[in-house]
Amino acid sequence: AQKVTQAQTEISVVEKEDVTLDCVYETRDTTYYLFWYKQPPSGELVFLIRRNSFDEQNEISGRYSWNFQKSTSSFNFTITASQVVDSAVYFCALSEAWSGAGSYQLTFGKGTKLSVIP
Amino acid sequence: EAGVTQFPSHSVIEKGQTVTLRCDPISGHDNLYWYRRVMGKEIKFLLHFVKESKQDESGMPNNRFLAERTGGTYSTLKVQPAELEDSGVYFCASSQVLAGASSYEQYFGPGTRLTVT
Repeated sequence: AQKVTQAQTEISVVEKEDVTLDCVYETRDTTYYLFWYKQPPSGELVFLIRRNSFDEQNEISGRYSWNFQKSTSSFNFTITASQVVDSAVYFCALSEAWSGAGSYQLTFGKGTKLSVIP
Repeated sequence: EAGVTQFPSHSVIEKGQTVTLRCDPISGHDNLYWYRRVMGKEIKFLLHFVKESKQDESGMPNNRFLAERTGGTYSTLKVQPAELEDSGVYFCASSQVLAGASSYEQYFGPGTRLTVT
């Protein structure tokens, strides 16, 4: 069975600070995908990134960066120089790889609520 | 291009009543998913449609929940009769698998907040 753990329930930081959101996952699949979604106050889940299990290169997109470490089953998300607009709930999710069959449902963590204080 | 839309945004009903939630996926997306988040819990998978067919409904909690996807377009999720524990946010997502692709993204709607009193 798949499982995603986001141990941090809530985090508060002051604007311009860096913050890292932790994500640890469990799966028996050898090929899988990891995702991060952002849920702003408006409620929709906004896709941020997808990572496959074969690619452990870290990725940077503007102020966002992701650190995937298979050895520790972690996929952590760092926001550099946080801004008030980053305030949201962030979800880490896991799915098996697409092979033409199955549902490829996402297994989510409980989410981390990030509050960036001006 | 319009995103995934859901209606209503919020519904308050009494225990024992019936409620129908609607989801319109992104045009052209064959895959449609329903998820639910009960307060304080993870977002949980309910079921998956491929076009009009149910591919996987292993997450449906019980037979009070009925999902349909007429013509492979929009989908409805009916709860009848509603119970207190059905309260939560119901999300719909859609995705399309491109030929030769090995992965996909699911695009989510804003959710419907259901409150059963």
